Amino acid sequence: EVQLVESGGGLVKPGGSLRLSCAVSGFTFSSHNMNWLRQTPGKGLEWVSSISSSSSYISYADSLKGRFTISRDNAKNSLYLQMNSLRAEDTAIYYCARQAGGTPDYWGQGTLVTVSS
Amino acid sequence: QSALTQPRSVSGSPGQSVTISCTGTSSDVGGYNYVSWFQQHPGKAPKLMIYDVTKRPSGVPDRFSGSKSGNTASLTIAGLQSEDEADYYCCSYAGSYTLVFGGGTKLTAL
Repeated sequence: EVQLVESGGGLVKPGGSLRLSCAVSGFTFSSHNMNWLRQTPGKGLEWVSSISSSSSYISYADSLKGRFTISRDNAKNSLYLQMNSLRAEDTAIYYCARQAGGTPDYWGQGTLVTVSS
Repeated sequence: QSALTQPRSVSGSPGQSVTISCTGTSSDVGGYNYVSWFQQHPGKAPKLMIYDVTKRPSGVPDRFSGSKSGNTASLTIAGLQSEDEADYYCCSYAGSYTLVFGGGTKLTAL
């Protein structure tokens, strides 16, 4: 069974940092590109970042302006998102998702990040 | 990286068919056969309903179907049921390891 479990969310002050983790099981992690996606409260979904299976290719949403860094450890079956200089508008549920072809097919249950003073 | 355009809401009576549109550009929807659709019930994670424009994952009822013409993709739900009431999001691959989502459509079963 494919499973993705996010962790690391919480309450952080504006300007602060958080590191999200995503532990996966049930598939060959090193064979799949991976994504971070987010959903603001009561609003829609937004793609945040993608990383290729070998970490050779990385992309970010333009709106992040270099504040976030995606990484992965294939030996640990884990995906990460380092978030710096957090703003109130980064408050959201953050999901990790497996990529299959052009589709984010399996998602975790999400971790809530709240940026507030 | 502009969001895809979806209607904010659609509605239908049980048993009817409803269609949700998703309009993008030649750089996303029109450029790749990688349009997917997600169903989301309140408090739940999104669930994949359609991928690669027309394909259904195992377990998704065949009442759900997808199509695409030019820069617009569509999700059609035939024989609407009360449990289909949810938010629906389209998603397209947009090249260079990027994805773009629609703003979401609230489906109401009258």
